[in-house]
Amino acid sequence: GAGVSQSPRYKVAKRGQDVALRCDPISGHVSLFWYQQALGQGPEFLTYFQNEAQLDKSGLPSDRFFAERPEGSVSTLKIQRTQQEDSAVYLCASSPERAGGPVTDTQYFGPGTRLTVL
Amino acid sequence: KQEVTQIPAALSVPEGENLVLNCSFTDSAIYNLQWFRQDPGKGLTSLLLIQSSQREQTSGRLNASLDKSSGRSTLYIAASQPGDSATYLCALYSGNTGKLIFGQGTTLQVKP
Repeated sequence: GAGVSQSPRYKVAKRGQDVALRCDPISGHVSLFWYQQALGQGPEFLTYFQNEAQLDKSGLPSDRFFAERPEGSVSTLKIQRTQQEDSAVYLCASSPERAGGPVTDTQYFGPGTRLTVL
Repeated sequence: KQEVTQIPAALSVPEGENLVLNCSFTDSAIYNLQWFRQDPGKGLTSLLLIQSSQREQTSGRLNASLDKSSGRSTLYIAASQPGDSATYLCALYSGNTGKLIFGQGTTLQVKP
């Protein structure tokens, strides 16, 4: 079956530009996560959606970062006025049920969007 | 604040060798732990998920153990193959939203 897809796969932006990154989760998955992975590092959590509700945005590094999932399926991560430190791979993951608690579903990851800010 | 550390950062072994990757964490009050594999330019592939009530999981040549009291997990790879070359990440499920906290990864190279 189809996995998590992300677009674009690569994005080059000039400093100060706005960008929008798209995530198509596995159909029917309730939970959706965004992570940021800097070069040579492990991914870091940005935000979590349960259906259309954004339940945790504690990892968003600044108010320039905004995420939405208006119909509980596709999600968009928007970065306004990009800075060089925003350069990273942005990973999206989905899981079948709502997250949290002692029993956990596997998170299925997309291939990521590599953002380079010049 | 939970911190996850993976040692070593990089490892190079000859084909056929058995090896162990280590993951340690500072807060033993965790739910579950998962090991992932990441190939260059690609997303993460789940290898093994150890639920909070379990102590280990096995899949083929892979075995992962979890000791919450000591804050450690190990990934054992038997009879390594060149195709095992990748970065291996451990991650803890944390909090009510199930977000993952990752280590920095161990980059493994298996030489033919």
